[in-house]
Parts: sequence; C-alpha cells; structure tokens
Amino acid sequence: EIVLTQSPATLSVSPGERATLSCRASQSISNNLAWYQQRPGQAPRLLIFGASNRATGIPARFSGSGSGTEFTLTISSLESEDFAVYYCKQYGNWPPYTFGQGTKLEIK
Amino acid sequence: QVQLQESGPRLVKPSQTLSLTCTVSGGSLNSGANYWSWIRQPAGQGLEWIGRIETGGSANYNPSLQSRVTMSVDMSKNQFSLKVTSVSATDTAVYYCVRETWPLLDSWGQGILVTVSS
Repeated sequence: EIVLTQSPATLSVSPGERATLSCRASQSISNNLAWYQQRPGQAPRLLIFGASNRATGIPARFSGSGSGTEFTLTISSLESEDFAVYYCKQYGNWPPYTFGQGTKLEIK
Repeated sequence: QVQLQESGPRLVKPSQTLSLTCTVSGGSLNSGANYWSWIRQPAGQGLEWIGRIETGGSANYNPSLQSRVTMSVDMSKNQFSLKVTSVSATDTAVYYCVRETWPLLDSWGQGILVTVSS
C-alpha cells in the first residue's frame, strides 16, 4: 500500500499570501496524484488531478506540481474561502486508493 | 448535475451489520464510464477509501476491509449500497458516497454519520 505523507500538518498563512503544501509518496506514483479541499462541515472537493491539472471550475490561483514521489499544491494568493483542510490522494498503485493525513490551512 | 444522497441507520450496535444506500439523482448510474464509491472519515481524522463498484457489478475493495465489505447496485432505483459486517467502534465515521470518473472522485454526497455503539 502506498503511504502518502503530507507536510506540514498545519500551515498558518495570512490572506493574500502564498501557501505551499507538500505530499510525499512512499514509492513512485508517476503523476497519479490528486488534491482535494475539505471545508468545515462539507464533503471534499476535487481541486487537482494528474498532479498539475485543475479540475473544472477551480480558480487559477490553485496549482499543482511534482511527479514520482514529491508533490506540491500551491495557492498563489489566499482568499478567505481557501482556509480548509487539503488532502492528497494517489491512484498510481491501487487498490487501495490512499490519502494523505491532510494539511490544515489556517488564517494567521 | 448529478447529486448523491446517503441514507441508512445512524446507530448500529457492535458486531452487527452497517447498511447504507446512496441515491443518485440528476443522472443515471449507467451513464458514462463511472464507478460508484464509498469513502469514510472518522471524526477529526482523514479519509479512507472503502471501495467502488461499477454498474456491471464488478467491485474493488480496500484490502484492509475486504473481508467485511460488500457493495451492490440497483439500477431500477438508481441506487448503490454498502454493507459492512461485524462492526466495532472503529467503524464509527462519516460515510460518503461518491461518483468516480476514473480516477477522480468528482461528485460527493453530503455524508452520513454512523455511530457504532450499544
């Protein structure tokens, strides 16, 4: 089973600033990685797939990069609705699909 | 736009079977190359993929749960279902039903909290 490790666990950033979230896979998954956002009390929402492709309707301030075992989600200029928990998920070696433990992005 | 809604008992006794149904509206279970999945999330914790099923009935399960999980589809009702046998407190979680347009989990239900307790 592929283990995904996200860092940091919590990230404190001010609105308007840039946020960089990391996800590391226990073995290579090529670019088979997605990112999901979960706001409090809501279901997760797909943001990024194929490591770097934005899902339909996702603002351009969200970008993803990486391949192999190291991946990054960047939010270029944080808006209030971006403060949430972010999960990476791999689909390069399954079953099972696995998720990282999440990074909580909080207002500084 | 497809919508998914979970339903079922919110309280299940230990050792019994957890049964949930997901009703799909705004689209057919049989449309597109879709799979129908279940994800769960214990309170304050991360996401765990339980498994998925296609309309032909072929399913893939998380190996950690495979011995206790069964999924099924009911095309006549546009529903798919989850059963987890021999539940314990560790099965307490919010359960989400999700459409997968491989490999993306692109439409989610609102989730249902199921508590395992006597």
